[in-house]
Amino acid sequence: GQQLNQSPQSMFIQEGEDVSMNCTSSSIFNTWLWYKQDPGEGPVLLIALYKAGELTSNGRLTAQFGITRKDSFLNISASIPSDVGIYFCAGGSYNQGGKLIFGQGTELSVKP
Amino acid sequence: KAGVTQTPRYLIKTRGQQVTLSCSPISGHRSVSWYQQTPGQGLQFLFEYFSETQRNKGNFPGRFSGRQFSNSRSEMNVSTLELGDSALYLCASGAGVDGYTFGSGTRLTVV
Repeated sequence: GQQLNQSPQSMFIQEGEDVSMNCTSSSIFNTWLWYKQDPGEGPVLLIALYKAGELTSNGRLTAQFGITRKDSFLNISASIPSDVGIYFCAGGSYNQGGKLIFGQGTELSVKP
Repeated sequence: KAGVTQTPRYLIKTRGQQVTLSCSPISGHRSVSWYQQTPGQGLQFLFEYFSETQRNKGNFPGRFSGRQFSNSRSEMNVSTLELGDSALYLCASGAGVDGYTFGSGTRLTVV
């Protein structure tokens, strides 16, 4: 099935460090979304981006919608143990309704 | 405000059987999408229903079907189960393409 290219696949960092992950696509999207998933649960929306070039923050999280509309990145500053989980990017298009294309996920581990 | 509710949380079925999963969206949301999540393929879109009509469909065989009721609750059905259908099935509801909210999922195991 169709997937976005998300990297890195996994990260193992020290508490307090900053984290950066990104997604790229060969297709243009109108919306980029970032989700976090904990084991046994569904993805939880972190940040939604609607406009090319848009930079949006949510606490320690910052995400940007690439100018070409084919990429997005997510930064987490000053990581804490509860940041552990799998982060997914997802792209959406207005003419595709609720159909989101997801990246493969970035598994984040934080060492206290 | 209640979130997206999926039932059951866990299910074990035998190959060849069929299964029905249920999703109650957030009140007021008319769009319900279904996704399959597996370790190998990740999150894959199954289909979306909006106001009781299928609006979009992913690349899954016809054994996977769904429907939506007038109260926006949705069900998905998988017939003639195969071992490869073992997955976490996720439902998401939204009022537009921005910010779809996911339920906790139904973990289906086919033996």
